[in-house]
Amino acid sequence: GQSLEQPSEVTAVEGAIVQINCTYQTSGFYGLSWYQQHDGGAPTFLSYNGLDGLEETGRFSSFLSRSDSYGYLLLQELQMKDSASYFCAVLGNGGFKTIFGAGTRLFVKA
Amino acid sequence: GAVVSQHPSRVICKSGTSVKIECRSLDFQATTMFWYRQFPKQSLMLMATSNEGSKATYEQGVEKDKFLINHASLTLSTLTVTSAHPEDSSFYICSARTSGGAKETQYFGPGTRLLVL
Repeated sequence: GQSLEQPSEVTAVEGAIVQINCTYQTSGFYGLSWYQQHDGGAPTFLSYNGLDGLEETGRFSSFLSRSDSYGYLLLQELQMKDSASYFCAVLGNGGFKTIFGAGTRLFVKA
Repeated sequence: GAVVSQHPSRVICKSGTSVKIECRSLDFQATTMFWYRQFPKQSLMLMATSNEGSKATYEQGVEKDKFLINHASLTLSTLTVTSAHPEDSSFYICSARTSGGAKETQYFGPGTRLLVL
């Protein structure tokens, strides 16, 4: 089967750096994506890793280690508007199916 | 960028009625569309994968006779919740992949909030 684990909640202060970890189990692993979702809204794509290593997109970076079935999302220079839920999502079955983790609620404090 | 719309954004219906939700890719052709359901403060649960012109593939535990999916064109997929009951109240979100595009690229619609009384 497929499963993902990520922390349920993380709290950090404005300007800080936070890392959200994700471990996964899947068949036919293709890649790992990260999405942001504000309350009441739809998920928006943040980052994707198909190969091992770090991908950087502005204040957000994502890392993948396929041998460890592990990835993380790194958010730098936190802003209040970053308070949201963050989902890791694994593309399995050779990339034809995306399964989401339970999500991590990030609270950014002033 | 690619835009996906959903209609309606919000619907309230009586128990026992059927509700149709439309998902459209506005500026691209989507060979594959996905339907998710999300309960409050929970994750997105994949319900089914819809490929244009063929039958949808449902995830385990999702009743295909209750959640009818039609993907009749490259820009439109519909989800019909038949004989809706209060436990079907949820946030339904579709997403689409561009044809020929990267497998990892999914564009999400804004979601449809369904409330069954």
